[in-house]
Amino acid sequence: QKEVEQDPGPLSVPEGAIVSLNCTYSNSAFQYFMWYRQYSRKGPELLMYTYSSGNKEDGRFTAQVDKSSKYISLFIRDSQPSDSATYLCAMMTGGGNKLTFGTGTQLKVEL
Amino acid sequence: GAVVSQHPSRVICKSGTSVKIECRSLDFQATTMFWYRQFPKQSLMLMATSNEGSKATYEQGVEKDKFLINHASLTLSTLTVTSAHPEDSSFYICSAWTSGGNEQFFGPGTRLTVL
Repeated sequence: QKEVEQDPGPLSVPEGAIVSLNCTYSNSAFQYFMWYRQYSRKGPELLMYTYSSGNKEDGRFTAQVDKSSKYISLFIRDSQPSDSATYLCAMMTGGGNKLTFGTGTQLKVEL
Repeated sequence: GAVVSQHPSRVICKSGTSVKIECRSLDFQATTMFWYRQFPKQSLMLMATSNEGSKATYEQGVEKDKFLINHASLTLSTLTVTSAHPEDSSFYICSAWTSGGNEQFFGPGTRLTVL
């Protein structure tokens, strides 16, 4: 079993839809949770960064962490074609600096 | 924001040659730099962790003699793929981490193609 599980997709939605992306994990020592966006042939770009459980909102993006269920989510409201990319969840233990990535979910937002 | 650059962005080489990839943190000092490899439609796999002035720590299954890492300064780390073979063709991405924060900042990646 992988430490971090993420559905690879692809996920296709119409423009304006609400997108829900999820990851589950098995390591209870993870304390920091990130979502990265990666366009084709580019490096990952940090979207959201959350410490421990709770919600965090930034514009059209909302990150949720439920440590009791070992489940994290990223919601994208009013999705745009420019949101089409691969979204990677990543996690880190407290006091550490190594990231463990999910496989990434490929998202396509269609006009 | 923190910027990390990589050079070259793309390289094509013949089998058996060595290729050096540079990773620079442009506006901050990186105490630690990470090197990842990403195959098509797969996630980032950590290859090694390098701390300035010390030997890199390699992940299990990564050949240290094949992937030479040097982190000579707080703003530069290099990855040399020695005697490259077609199976080394991949997207190599570095990231930089500063002890003042808990974020890794990623470079734009280097696409290596070995013929």
